[in-house]
Amino acid sequence: GENVEQHPSTLSVQEGDSAVIKCTYSDSASNYFPWYKQELGKRPQLIIDIRSNVGEKKDQRIAVTLNKTAKHFSLHITETQPEDSAVYFCAASKTSYDKVIFGPGTSLSVIP
Amino acid sequence: DAGITQSPRHKVTETGTPVTLRCHQTENHRYMYWYRQDPGHGLRLIHYSYGVKDTDKGEVSDGYSVSRSKTEDFLLTLESATSSQTSVYFCAISTGDQEKLFFGSGTQLSVL
Repeated sequence: GENVEQHPSTLSVQEGDSAVIKCTYSDSASNYFPWYKQELGKRPQLIIDIRSNVGEKKDQRIAVTLNKTAKHFSLHITETQPEDSAVYFCAASKTSYDKVIFGPGTSLSVIP
Repeated sequence: DAGITQSPRHKVTETGTPVTLRCHQTENHRYMYWYRQDPGHGLRLIHYSYGVKDTDKGEVSDGYSVSRSKTEDFLLTLESATSSQTSVYFCAISTGDQEKLFFGSGTQLSVL
């Protein structure tokens, strides 16, 4: 089955700097890649997703890139702010309805 | 919150006792999922459902069973709870229009 790896497990950046989180997946049939943000004590929430027919997608300060050949995708956060501090999960599935398999998460701390 | 509620929010039980967690949705979504969240492992899929009486196993289904006799309810049962099942359990639904996972607030389960 699908296996999703995620690096780094923890990341600390200064406010205003950029943060990059990288993920790899194993199943070449996967073609839907969402990212979730979980603040302390809260539920995970979708922040951005990308499908295999798209190489890059942006939404304000966040962007996701996908390299299907290499089977890896990345989350980029620019101009980080303290409220970006959270755990971020990447995930993969064959369709947006199929079972979604998550990576182990990255704890991001933005230092004011 | 996409009309999804989990009960109970917190539960403490003893090893060997049966436990049932309930996920209830009010918006008639077809797809429902149970995940457990543990430090270092992220969100791991236990079971999921594509409709009434239509369920399938996820990554970590051993020791768990599910039932979905009505569209709105998805039950997760630990037949004989073990300490390794101490975790935070999240239910999620997949909405038809946005094709995104929406999570419930979670259930903190402690097995002593």
